[in-house]
Amino acid sequence: QVQLVESGGGVVQPGRSLRLSCAASGFTFSNYGLHWVRQAPGKGLEWVAIISYDGSNKYYEDSVEGRFTISRDNSKNTLFLQMNSLRAEDTAVYYCAKDSRYCSGGTCYSGGAFDIWGQGTMVTVSS
Amino acid sequence: DLQMTQSPSSLSASVGDRVTITCRASQSISSYLNWYQQRPGKAPKLLIYAASSLQSGVPSRFSGSGSGTDFTLTVSSLQPEDFATYYCQQSYNTPYTFGQGTKLEIK
Repeated sequence: QVQLVESGGGVVQPGRSLRLSCAASGFTFSNYGLHWVRQAPGKGLEWVAIISYDGSNKYYEDSVEGRFTISRDNSKNTLFLQMNSLRAEDTAVYYCAKDSRYCSGGTCYSGGAFDIWGQGTMVTVSS
Repeated sequence: DLQMTQSPSSLSASVGDRVTITCRASQSISSYLNWYQQRPGKAPKLLIYAASSLQSGVPSRFSGSGSGTDFTLTVSSLQPEDFATYYCQQSYNTPYTFGQGTKLEIK
């Protein structure tokens, strides 16, 4: 079935780095953009970053720009989030999510909703 | 950045009630508005996309409407499993902002 499975979360000290992974299955990975969304404890959802289906375009939320890098390996159906210079306010459950917009041969069709979500991985930044 | 404002922040209702949640965008987003349900400890689930299209597998008691800046999510007859937190989200442009959420509780 269609699913996303995150891994790589844990406890890390402020200023250190962590790399999250998201393994996809059940759909043609290379035809869809992917997102990272986070949720601090007891708080709402916050969009973090998006990468296009072919990895050529990436956009970030302002507070992570320059510290986080989103990437993907279409040969391994895997999405990544490299998080550097971590801060206490980065503490959250991190979800990967599939964009509903189908893209092929340089053309993308209607979409933009997050139609498949992983179960989330917890990142705690604390000394 | 586009701001998404939901109201109310919380809502108490009974099984069988009809409830409506409102989402307002700080500028026009056409129909680029999606709704999600999140149960405690679980990942969000897409309910409605493009303002009014029902995601496959979602019960027909859920419906969405609106365009431009004002949108609504309606649950026609609440079921026990519907008590959760609901979020709107704009997919008009980055950053893809969410509303602050509406917690639907049992009265």
